[in-house]
Amino acid sequence: NAGVTQTPKFQVLKTGQSMTLQCAQDMNHNSMYWYRQDPGMGLRLIYYSASEGTTDKGEVPNGYNVSRLNKREFSLRLESAAPSQTSVYFCASNPSRSGDTGELFFGEGSRLTVL
Amino acid sequence: GENVEQHPSTLSVQEGDSAVIKCTYSDSASNYFPWYKQELGKRPQLIIDIRSNVGEKKDQRIAVTLNKTAKHFSLHITETQPEDSAVYFCAASMTAGNKLTFGGGTRVLVKP
Repeated sequence: NAGVTQTPKFQVLKTGQSMTLQCAQDMNHNSMYWYRQDPGMGLRLIYYSASEGTTDKGEVPNGYNVSRLNKREFSLRLESAAPSQTSVYFCASNPSRSGDTGELFFGEGSRLTVL
Repeated sequence: GENVEQHPSTLSVQEGDSAVIKCTYSDSASNYFPWYKQELGKRPQLIIDIRSNVGEKKDQRIAVTLNKTAKHFSLHITETQPEDSAVYFCAASMTAGNKLTFGGGTRVLVKP
């Protein structure tokens, strides 16, 4: 049982380049999330998907797009990377079913540097 | 939207002492308050949570308290050990399974 898998783990981009972070979960969870983590800022929600076919903006969506490809996969795209997007990105999921614990299951994180 | 503030940002304690981290939230509709622990270079993991119908919850050396009237909640770690050294995050959401808003984190260092 792999849980939540993110790729790539590390990436260096130049300003203006584009890239997609991939996330997949094998726990049949309904909800999936993308957070970014910056020193002293905690985890800030970029986008989330409450169920397959739906996506919504979080606290810091500017500069990002997402796709909930199917129930398993939720990708995050940077169309034109900026140095301010240098961060560690975490994908997470939870069951979001009645009676569940509410626990978020995180991937290992993707460290992105934009030069 | 919800805003969660967490204090202190860093906390250094002697092994065996207690550690307390405090959080406040802004949205009175929030009813679910989890705490996550993140060890260096690792992913955050849930350590304990509390719902608004409960004032206190304990699990071995950790406990959480919630004051809904004042909109604040706290994490208490007793008899701290070196393996408790990590960053701790509080969070809040309307219900379990909804999107979480996290506090800024507290870096806890337990000195042997």
